[in-house]
This record gives sequence, structure tokens and C-alpha cells, in this order.
Amino acid sequence: DGGITQSPKYLFRKEGQNVTLSCEQNLNHDAMYWYRQDPGQGLRLIYYSQIVNDFQKGDIAEGYSVSREKKESFPLTVTSAQKNPTAFYLCASNPPAGEVTGELFFGEGSRLTVL
Amino acid sequence: SQKIEQNSEALNIQEGKTATLTCNYTNYSPAYLQWYRQDPGRGPVFLLLIRENEKEKRKERLKVTFDTTLKQSLFHITASQPADSATYLCALQYSASKIIFGSGTRLSIRP
Repeated sequence: DGGITQSPKYLFRKEGQNVTLSCEQNLNHDAMYWYRQDPGQGLRLIYYSQIVNDFQKGDIAEGYSVSREKKESFPLTVTSAQKNPTAFYLCASNPPAGEVTGELFFGEGSRLTVL
Repeated sequence: SQKIEQNSEALNIQEGKTATLTCNYTNYSPAYLQWYRQDPGRGPVFLLLIRENEKEKRKERLKVTFDTTLKQSLFHITASQPADSATYLCALQYSASKIIFGSGTRLSIRP
């Protein structure tokens, strides 16, 4: 079945460590996104990519980095520079690049906890 | 900056009644307004999309309205069931990449 796979579902990190969250999609979508969700708040955009080898910062990109080397993959690295990284991270995609296309398809999320 | 308000953090209603959730926004109207359902610990799932030139959209027991004058969308679930209990998110879409989400309304349907 087509969809978006995020891993790991749960991740614990010590302060000062970088961690990478995986996001893979087999929907053949051009655009991919990373959102952060905190309790009682809406989803906030971290980074997005509309095409391979290109990505843009969202509203809260500080302390995060991404890459888009393949159409199917859009990993997110939470660096030690992110001051409050404990959150629920959601990856999403939609087709195709450059147009208003409608709904986002989301993965099941990764919950990161900093100890 | 654009702000989105969803009527309340939580809404509790009796099974069989119609649930009505509100999404209000400031500033300029989006090209599209979307509604998603999110269950605890899961990713949101798309439900309905309505365009700025549409007044109403229906899908089975769901109905969405969009009033660009009031800057408001209403989301209705008729004949509500306990299985409809979830958090519902409103999202404003201005372009393919510019999608702004509200904080959601947690709906509980009691038997």
C-alpha cells in the first residue's frame, strides 16, 4: 500500500545529541514537509521541499536540518542547537510541485523526548 | 501574521446529535480550507477541502461551510457516533507549501 513511513515512532535523546528522524514515501509525491506538534498547539512548519535537491525553511527551522537527495526520502535532523526539541514530529507529502493541490498525506509521527 | 482560532479546545456532545466545530481566521482568505481528523498519537487524516468560491461541501455525514465575509468555516458531523471522537484540525491553504493549521478541537461523543 502507498503511504508515508516515519521512523522511529519513539526516540529518546540526551541533551547535546543530534538525532535524525526518517521519512519515506512511495506515493510518488514531489513535495514533502516536516511539521512539529506541541500539546494544545497547531502544527508548525519546520522545513519543506518541493523537488529533489531543493528545500526551504518553514516558520521554525532554527535548530533543524534536512536533506532531499531522493524523491522518496526527506530526513529531519534535530540538532543540539534546538532549545526545546521534545515534541511530536510529523512528515507529510502532497503532489505535485508548484501548484495548489489539496490535501496533505501524513505519516504516523515520531515522538522525540529529550532526557 | 495570519491567525486561526478553533472554537474551543474540547467539545462534548450526546451520540446522535450534530457536532458543529468552528474555525475562524484573520487577515486574507485562503484559496482552500481543509479539515483533518487526528487520533491520539497518530498523524492527521484529510477529511474535506473547500475552495474559497464554494459555500458548502458534503461527504457522507460531514458538511463544511466557508464564509469568506465572516472569515469562518463550520464543520458539521451529523448523527454523531462515539467513533467520531477525535481531534479535528482546520487548515488554511494559500499555496502548495503554505498551509497553516489551527490548534484543533477535541471532540468527545458520549453514548
